[in-house]
Amino acid sequence: AQSVSQHNHHVILSEAASLELGCNYSYGGTVNLFWYVQYPGQHLQLLLKYFSGDPLVKGIKGFEAEFIKSKFSFNLRKPSVQWSDTAEYFCASMIYNQGGKLIFGQGTELSVKP
Amino acid sequence: ETGVTQTPRHLVMGMTNKKSLKCEQHLGHNAMYWYKQSAKKPLELMFVYSLEERVENNSVPSRFSPECPNSSHLFLHLHTLQPEDSALYLCASSLGLANEQFFGPGTRLTVL
Repeated sequence: AQSVSQHNHHVILSEAASLELGCNYSYGGTVNLFWYVQYPGQHLQLLLKYFSGDPLVKGIKGFEAEFIKSKFSFNLRKPSVQWSDTAEYFCASMIYNQGGKLIFGQGTELSVKP
Repeated sequence: ETGVTQTPRHLVMGMTNKKSLKCEQHLGHNAMYWYKQSAKKPLELMFVYSLEERVENNSVPSRFSPECPNSSHLFLHLHTLQPEDSALYLCASSLGLANEQFFGPGTRLTVL
């Protein structure tokens, strides 16, 4: 069965530190990949997505992610975090021809200290 | 009202009650979804509807019964639930099944 793993359950950083959150998916074929964010008290929002093309994708709020097929990874990065980035981050994958079936990782809680 | 809305936002029910969760999307999408989010577990896809037809039932117990009367509305009918069904139930919608999904705020369900 398809699965998504996020290695870090809780990350604590100071403002201006660099961020990298790990995500690995299990399916060996073509997948669409997503990062969602859930700010405190708010609903899930899309940060960025990868369908095809340039494996380095840029999203909102200065986030980017790199798709590395050989490593089955889609890690999320931000060069300098802000206190307002405190949130829970979810990686998700969707098998290309199984539209709609979005499989989520367990989430990473990011706390940014001012 | 914009985006995806869900009502009620909180619901407490006994195991013998019957209740319904409602989801409405104002985005012109044609696919809608129900997810369950339990503490310390990944979001679990429950049901997928495309053009008002159910295309996925992810091994969900029959005490959960979805209904999609049109492309803008999605319901989750609940009956004889168990305490372990207590969770946050999220609705989402998308334009086509392969595209990103937009989520509602969820209904926090507690089963006593």
